[in-house]
Amino acid sequence: GESVGLHLPTLSVQEGDNSIINCAYSNSASDYFIWYKQESGKGPQFIIDIRSNMDKRQGQRVTVLLNKTVKHLSLQIAATQPGDSAVYFCAEKRYSTLTFGKGTMLLVSP
Amino acid sequence: EADIYQTPRYLVIGTGKKITLECSQTMGHDKMYWYQQDPGMELHLIHYSYGVNSTEKGDLSSESTVSRIRTEHFPLTLESARPSHTSQYLCASSRIPGPRTGELFFGEGSRLTVL
Repeated sequence: GESVGLHLPTLSVQEGDNSIINCAYSNSASDYFIWYKQESGKGPQFIIDIRSNMDKRQGQRVTVLLNKTVKHLSLQIAATQPGDSAVYFCAEKRYSTLTFGKGTMLLVSP
Repeated sequence: EADIYQTPRYLVIGTGKKITLECSQTMGHDKMYWYQQDPGMELHLIHYSYGVNSTEKGDLSSESTVSRIRTEHFPLTLESARPSHTSQYLCASSRIPGPRTGELFFGEGSRLTVL
């Protein structure tokens, strides 16, 4: 069978909890960062973005935090729902293309 | 719902066969991409295009080739498939320019298995 999950860090939460997914990026010259959500059998879907001149950006139930000092990005999901179960990827923009990081699997139990 | 379509969704073929993975988008986006993704792993850019008659190689070396004769169409071809090509191939497109310059619209992927 497939080895999905064996390579992925996994975060398991209860429905209604807040989730925090972390990402370390590599290039201090990157000026734009994005979080994507990938559900099983589908392509990734844009969630939220942040430019390097910002520390925090909020969307609907999601917040992205950027710490340029330690090259760290986090995605906070408030009141996590079963529909949030997916693999989450951060991506950084270098030049004209996106480079994706390793994903984190979020499992939400009712 | 993004209007980007990939065919076939699943393909199992023998070594040495030539295959073409199709990708079409109806959003009028100039920029298109092909990413390769193994199960549970990150996406790796293999090809991209700025527009008609433009093709560029991505970060990950690939034996595939692409063409961009029409804005809406960005097919990927493997002349002679090998088991090492077994993977999922994701096509995406984006606006140039756009307020959310990192917003790529992805297709659902083509999962290729080479025996």
